[in-house]
Amino acid sequence: EPEVTQTPSHQVTQMGQEVILRCVPISNHLYFYWYRQILGQKVEFLVSFYNNEISEKSEIFDDQFSVERPDGSNFTLKIRSTKLEDSAMYFCASTVGTLSYNEQFFGPGTRLTVL
Amino acid sequence: KNEVEQSPQNLTAQEGEFITINCSYSVGISALHWLQQHPGGGIVSLFMLSSGKKKHGRLIATINIQEKHSSLHITASHPRDSAVYICAVTTGNQFYFGTGTSLTVIP
Repeated sequence: EPEVTQTPSHQVTQMGQEVILRCVPISNHLYFYWYRQILGQKVEFLVSFYNNEISEKSEIFDDQFSVERPDGSNFTLKIRSTKLEDSAMYFCASTVGTLSYNEQFFGPGTRLTVL
Repeated sequence: KNEVEQSPQNLTAQEGEFITINCSYSVGISALHWLQQHPGGGIVSLFMLSSGKKKHGRLIATINIQEKHSSLHITASHPRDSAVYICAVTTGNQFYFGTGTSLTVIP
């Protein structure tokens, strides 16, 4: 069964460093998403991506964040200068069509720890 | 502000019990999703619905668009159902999540 994969499973970084979180969505899916979940808190939407551009983004997704689909299979989330409060689990997800009509498939998550 | 409210926050049930988790939302939506988050953190989609009722195995989800309310029911609960159940609504390309209901089913 196709699945969304994410690498690495755990990333430890120093404050101020850049990190890139990688996701490989399901191959025939067209919409891609990043979410984060701070420990003990609810899941939060970061950004949606379709047709090689951002569709929607939340207030959390500021200039420190960027997304890219560099090669037609990977979908990446870059945090330019990490802060302590960026420590969270980051989930990637994909859908074949919009969230209004389609089930979402989540990756297993990347746990980011900023020291 | 919380666009999505769930109740209860925590729920403990005996194996075999019928369980109901409720979700209310305050925004206009195009669809509502029920998700299951396992103790290890992984998230699985259970249902996507925009009207009426859906059933999958022992799980039933209903939605009342006029009342902006949805329920997730689990019949004949089992310890393997222990997880966090999350209600999330979409307005198009954004997703608003509830805080989740932590369910523990005791053998």
